[in-house]
Amino acid sequence: LAKTTQPISMDSYEGQEVNITCSHNNIATNDYITWYQQFPSQGPRFIIQGYKTKVTNEVASLFIPADRKSSTLSLPRVSLSDTAVYYCLVEGGGADGLTFGKGTHLIIQP
Amino acid sequence: NAGVMQNPRHLVRRRGQEARLRCSPMKGHSHVYWYRQLPEEGLKFMVYLQKENIIDESGMPKERFSAEFPKEGPSILRIQQVVRGDSAAYFCASSPLDREGEKLFFGSGTQLSVL
Repeated sequence: LAKTTQPISMDSYEGQEVNITCSHNNIATNDYITWYQQFPSQGPRFIIQGYKTKVTNEVASLFIPADRKSSTLSLPRVSLSDTAVYYCLVEGGGADGLTFGKGTHLIIQP
Repeated sequence: NAGVMQNPRHLVRRRGQEARLRCSPMKGHSHVYWYRQLPEEGLKFMVYLQKENIIDESGMPKERFSAEFPKEGPSILRIQQVVRGDSAAYFCASSPLDREGEKLFFGSGTQLSVL
């Protein structure tokens, strides 16, 4: 049973705001929500993490509704260099590995 | 402040040979994770280690694969008698002792090619 569900791919254009939603219906009380970005031939890179409500950093915003069964990664004013695969993870820090799904392949066009 | 270091960056082996992949975690990190990624696929968890201990190896194939994280030195992922299906990118990640949430820091990976 998959812990998270994301769209397989998304397209957008430079300068637009992009929102990627992740479903995690079985999220546990102690689970955090973390998003990573991966470029070809590179390891994933941490983008943002949250537990509830809204978190914002210099790269993105993360919106988490009260029931925490989903989360939305928001990338403001994307550029071509934002073309990458974005992974949503939900884990509670227990003695187990972190499970990545297949992620969302975001393609930004000029 | 060096990040997670993996070497070699590229490794070519013939079928039946052994592959050794090395990972030095970030300074101060005591948790290491190994992942495998096939082309156009997501990352598949293999093993989670702390210093001198394997915590979770549920994603590791039962045969030919082993991992260690000794008290001194890098973590090693060892693949014996490699087969063509082992060709993939292998990524290592590390996290601090307290695993501040679930933030992982990844290396650039080792691309293993089996001829």
